[in-house]
Amino acid sequence: KQEVTQIPAALSVPEGENLVLNCSFTDSAIYNLQWFRQDPGKGLTSLLLIQSSQREQTSGRLNASLDKSSGRSTLYIAASQPGDSATYLCAVRRSSASKIIFGSGTRLSIRP
Amino acid sequence: GAVVSQHPSRVICKSGTSVKIECRSLDFQATTMFWYRQFPKQSLMLMATSNEGSKATYEQGVEKDKFLINHASLTLSTLTVTSAHPEDSSFYICSAPRTGEIDEQYFGPGTRLTVT
Repeated sequence: KQEVTQIPAALSVPEGENLVLNCSFTDSAIYNLQWFRQDPGKGLTSLLLIQSSQREQTSGRLNASLDKSSGRSTLYIAASQPGDSATYLCAVRRSSASKIIFGSGTRLSIRP
Repeated sequence: GAVVSQHPSRVICKSGTSVKIECRSLDFQATTMFWYRQFPKQSLMLMATSNEGSKATYEQGVEKDKFLINHASLTLSTLTVTSAHPEDSSFYICSAPRTGEIDEQYFGPGTRLTVT
């Protein structure tokens, strides 16, 4: 049974810092891995999707890496801003049409 | 990009009543849709997989007679919370996978259910 864990559960850093969010999964047989952002009381915003054959994806100040063999992914946020404050969720999928298994999330707070 | 909508976005109902939530894929067909539930400050937990033209598949611990799912067309799945109780108050989100060059699942904006 796939389990997805995110560390830390919460993180507070001053504005401008670079930071790394961690995600680990127990079953390396994944189809893809996706990072989402969720603002309080809102739905999900997809940030980055990494296919199983890829090692990383970049979008603006965000960079996500994937090491399938070790069951790990990281989300790197450069030059953090208060607007980055949200909960970040990591999720994996076993096949193209299968369900998504979510991690527990990291609540990020960027202090002005 | 692909869009998935949910209706209503918020609903308040009295204990004992039933509530229906709709999930629609607006610009693609989805033979499968997924229903998730999220309690405050917790992650999303899959409730069930909705299959067009056949019965839904429920995750362990989810009561199928309480959470009725109907996937009547390739663009619409409904979740009905029957005889709702305050403990059913939660954020319900649906998703639909879109296959293609990049297979991705698209999420609806969610429905906030409050049972009084």
